[in-house]
Amino acid sequence: ELKVEQNPLFLSMQEGKNYTIYCNYSTTSDRLYWYRQDPGKSLESLFVLLSNGAVKQEGRLMASLDTKARLSTLHITAAVHDLSATYFCAVDRANTDKLIFGTGTRLQVFP
Amino acid sequence: EPEVTQTPSHQVTQMGQEVILRCVPISNHLYFYWYRQILGQKVEFLVSFYNNEISEKSEIFDDQFSVERPDGSNFTLKIRSTKLEDSAMYFCASMDRGTEQYFGPGTRLTVT
Repeated sequence: ELKVEQNPLFLSMQEGKNYTIYCNYSTTSDRLYWYRQDPGKSLESLFVLLSNGAVKQEGRLMASLDTKARLSTLHITAAVHDLSATYFCAVDRANTDKLIFGTGTRLQVFP
Repeated sequence: EPEVTQTPSHQVTQMGQEVILRCVPISNHLYFYWYRQILGQKVEFLVSFYNNEISEKSEIFDDQFSVERPDGSNFTLKIRSTKLEDSAMYFCASMDRGTEQYFGPGTRLTVT
């Protein structure tokens, strides 16, 4: 059974600081996704990582994938309040399209 | 830009009642999904649907749940006899072949 774990579960950080969220998964996966969710809202797709060594950046967020370590990271650079949200990683596999989500990381950025 | 839509946005029902949650996937998509998220928890897969049949379902998706694509546009999730623990946000998603899933805004189901 594919399992996906994120850490930390909760992250409170000051504006302007950098931090990294980690996503570990238990078995081989084809694709890894990062989503953002604001309270009471849907899932906003941030990144899709397809291959080992993939790195994608959008604004203050950068995601990377190491398939050998079964690890993805979401790095936050110079955090701002608008980044406050819950971030989920999710993986799928070749023979199934279902997404297995991580536990989520609730990010709170304060002045 | 095409998007997945869901109705209603919020449904309140009494325990034991049947509910139908509706989704309109993106028009050229072929794969359809339902997920649920209990408040404060992670998103969980319920069922996937392709070519007018269920392709995969989770252990959560028991006999109380069913899905249907009654016409060319709607995709529905029915819960026959709701329980308190069915209270959650239900997300519909759709996908074209080889692309990523696009999520709808969700339906908040409250069972009292």
